[in-house]
Amino acid sequence: DGGITQSPKYLFRKEGQNVTLSCEQNLNHDAMYWYRQDPGQGLRLIYYSQIVNDFQKGDIAEGYSVSREKKESFPLTVTSAQKNPTAFYLCASSMADRAGNTIYFGEGSWLTVV
Amino acid sequence: AQSVTQLDSHVSVSEGTPVLLRCNYSSSYSPSLFWYVQHPNKGLQLLLKYTSAATLVKGINGFEAEFKKSETSFHLTKPSAHMSDAAEYFCVVSDYKTSGTYKYIFGTGTRLKVLA
Repeated sequence: DGGITQSPKYLFRKEGQNVTLSCEQNLNHDAMYWYRQDPGQGLRLIYYSQIVNDFQKGDIAEGYSVSREKKESFPLTVTSAQKNPTAFYLCASSMADRAGNTIYFGEGSWLTVV
Repeated sequence: AQSVTQLDSHVSVSEGTPVLLRCNYSSSYSPSLFWYVQHPNKGLQLLLKYTSAATLVKGINGFEAEFKKSETSFHLTKPSAHMSDAAEYFCVVSDYKTSGTYKYIFGTGTRLKVLA
């Protein structure tokens, strides 16, 4: 089945540690996105990529980094510079930019600082 | 600037009664509008979308929404609520940025509670 796979589902980070969340899609979508969701709140865009080897900062990129070396993969690294990383992280993808493209989501990953 | 406003953060209905989740938007262009549902600890699932075709859009699980340009609204309805409808619902607009790309703007969500 086509879809978006995020791993791990639950991840714990120690102070000062970098962690990486994986996102893989087999939908042949050009665009991929990372969102952060805090409990009881909406989604905030961290980074997005419209094509391989290119990505753009979203609204809350500080303390995060990404790469897009393959069309199918868009990993997110939460660096030690992100002071409040505990949240639910959602990866998404869509066809190349045009009106009406549906954005599809993975099942999400929980990151907790311990 | 483009924006999406979900007018109610929480809605409670009794099982078997109608559901109404309200969404207003602002957009400089002809937007595409979506409703998504999110169950606890899950990703967002598409319920329905509007892309300038029929103004009344039917989605999955008996949900539908009507695009009203004059009111800049895209309210989500269902004739009869089921216990399994209890979840968070997000209204989303896909709009055109001046950079020549499209952006998804999410509402803050409405939590639907269904009472037995």
